[in-house]
Amino acid sequence: EDQVTQSPEALRLQEGESSSLNCSYTVSGLRGLFWYRQDPGKGPEFLFTLYSAGEEKEKERLKATLTKKESFLHITAPKPEDSATYLCAVQARGGSQGNLIFGKGTKLSVKP
Amino acid sequence: DAGITQSPRHKVTETGTPVTLRCHQTENHRYMYWYRQDPGHGLRLIHYSYGVKDTDKGEVSDGYSVSRSKTEDFLLTLESATSSQTSVYFCAIKARGNAEAFFGQGTRLTVV
Repeated sequence: EDQVTQSPEALRLQEGESSSLNCSYTVSGLRGLFWYRQDPGKGPEFLFTLYSAGEEKEKERLKATLTKKESFLHITAPKPEDSATYLCAVQARGGSQGNLIFGKGTKLSVKP
Repeated sequence: DAGITQSPRHKVTETGTPVTLRCHQTENHRYMYWYRQDPGHGLRLIHYSYGVKDTDKGEVSDGYSVSRSKTEDFLLTLESATSSQTSVYFCAIKARGNAEAFFGQGTRLTVV
């Protein structure tokens, strides 16, 4: 069964304290792995797509990496405005048309 | 924003009544999806559409039906609402050939 597990469930950081969020996945052939950011009361906002092991993507203070079993979202010198829930999702080859399988998310809080 | 409008944004309804949620897009994307988001669960797919009048079931489709008579509109209907359908519902769209999906702002539905 295709599955996505995110850890930790919650992470509290001080401003400037770098850290990483983990997304481990089990999927019958990976078509793509996706990271989204979700603010309270809003829909998920697309961040990155990763397709193959070794691939990396960067955007401002965020960097996403991918291996054959997991993905990391590295946050460098975070600011309070980075506080949000970060969602990881995978799309399996041969799955429903673009269907995403989501993890439960990591809630990140960055204190000034 | 990705040109997705969900309506209504909030709704309270009584058990046993029918409810229809609307997703409208201005992007002319082929694929449209309905997800629900509940505490302790990741986003879960209810139904999806891969074209006008082409729809299929997702992971948690029981008690829901959908219709897509125009490219821009995807309707989700709860035939007879139950308290277990209290949730936040998100619509997503995806272009053919693109991997990433973009989400609307969500509809918070409460069934009392």
